[in-house]
Amino acid sequence: DAGITQSPRHKVTETGTPVTLRCHQTENHRYMYWYRQDPGHGLRLIHYSYGVKDTDKGEVSDGYSVSRSKTEDFLLTLESATSSQTSVYFCAISVPSGMGDTQYFGPGTRLTVL
Amino acid sequence: RKEVEQDPGPFNVPEGATVAFNCTYSNSASQSFFWYRQDCRKEPKLLMSVYSSGNEDGRFTAQLNRASQYISLLIRDSKLSDSATYLCVVGPNQAGTALIFGKGTTLSVSS
Repeated sequence: DAGITQSPRHKVTETGTPVTLRCHQTENHRYMYWYRQDPGHGLRLIHYSYGVKDTDKGEVSDGYSVSRSKTEDFLLTLESATSSQTSVYFCAISVPSGMGDTQYFGPGTRLTVL
Repeated sequence: RKEVEQDPGPFNVPEGATVAFNCTYSNSASQSFFWYRQDCRKEPKLLMSVYSSGNEDGRFTAQLNRASQYISLLIRDSKLSDSATYLCVVGPNQAGTALIFGKGTTLSVSS
């Protein structure tokens, strides 16, 4: 158990509404990530954070913003949700290991945008 | 060329069978290699890291061939509980950079 929780676990929203997903970790790891997973695409990186208030874009960052005001929390915001953002969202942390860092995932948030 | 390619399967095997999954990656600078397991509607979970010398964990054996940019996973004596999607994952040996995930290979083990 990597001590990662995500909230909400499921959400249905309407196009054009703002949505914020929360990732919380209990072990003060520096790096945190947001991925989305869609059929036919595998997991794709949206944004990541390398410290409080330090974030950077990933492969599919358009339409998303993130914030990290505390080490333990990493928020993903959809400013104006679109149907193309219907997906499963996973948060991850990096844990140092002998082969570089290993990533561990939260349980995911299933988001449906109608 | 896609960055990490896997045969999507499905692989349908009986209990007790040996099954092998293969994966190729395009970035020759990649330094870290993993197999993750993902059950339906669950998060990916680390199955094992893959080392240059190959490594084994019980019934699971992973191999890496850097020259061919090829990774494999062998599962011996398959169990019903091995049914899942197996993700091949490649990354640099550097925190803060993205891991690249294959789309996964689905395994179904039947009695």
